Amino acid sequence: AQKITQTQPGMFVQEKEAVTLDCTYDTSDQSYGLFWYKQPSSGEMIFLIYQGSYDEQNATEGRYSLNFQKARKSANLVISASQLGDSAMYFCAMRASNTGNQFYFGTGTSLTVIP
Amino acid sequence: NAGVTQTPKFQVLKTGQSMTLQCAQDMNHNSMYWYRQDPGMGLRLIYYSASEGTTDKGEVPNGYNVSRLNKREFSLRLESAAPSQTSVYFCASSEGGGRVGQPQHFGDGTRLSIL
Repeated sequence: AQKITQTQPGMFVQEKEAVTLDCTYDTSDQSYGLFWYKQPSSGEMIFLIYQGSYDEQNATEGRYSLNFQKARKSANLVISASQLGDSAMYFCAMRASNTGNQFYFGTGTSLTVIP
Repeated sequence: NAGVTQTPKFQVLKTGQSMTLQCAQDMNHNSMYWYRQDPGMGLRLIYYSASEGTTDKGEVPNGYNVSRLNKREFSLRLESAAPSQTSVYFCASSEGGGRVGQPQHFGDGTRLSIL
């Protein structure tokens, strides 16, 4: 069975500091994709970053990077130089090839950036 | 730049009433999904459609029906609304065929309250 676990219900970070949001996953599949989404208070779901199970390099998109540790089955999101606009819910998700059309989401982490 | 469009954005129903939530995507995606989001519970899959002409139950299908009208449109129907169905509903779409590197794209959500 596929499962995503986010153990941090809420996080606080000082503006301009970096923050790491944790995500662990469970799958028996060898081919899978890991995604992070941002949900601001306005409610929309915004796709941030993707990491493939066969990718050797950690994914980066601007201030977002994904710390992928395959052996530990973790895919942590790192946000550098936090901004007030980063305050939001963040969801980790997975898509695996043997359940190719389904996505599995964690329960999310609420991030608050303190000025 | 429409992406995934959901209507309506807000709706208030009385217990026992029926209604249909509409969703359309213009990205030529094969797969479409309906989720509900309740506080503290993340996203839960109600139904999905891997391709035109197919639908499958997700984690919480009871009380809902779906129709994949064509490749673009995927509707969610509540036949007899109950207060437990008060939630925010999201429609999403993605490339199908088990392409694990393709993310989901979400609509802006429908806030549904049942009195």
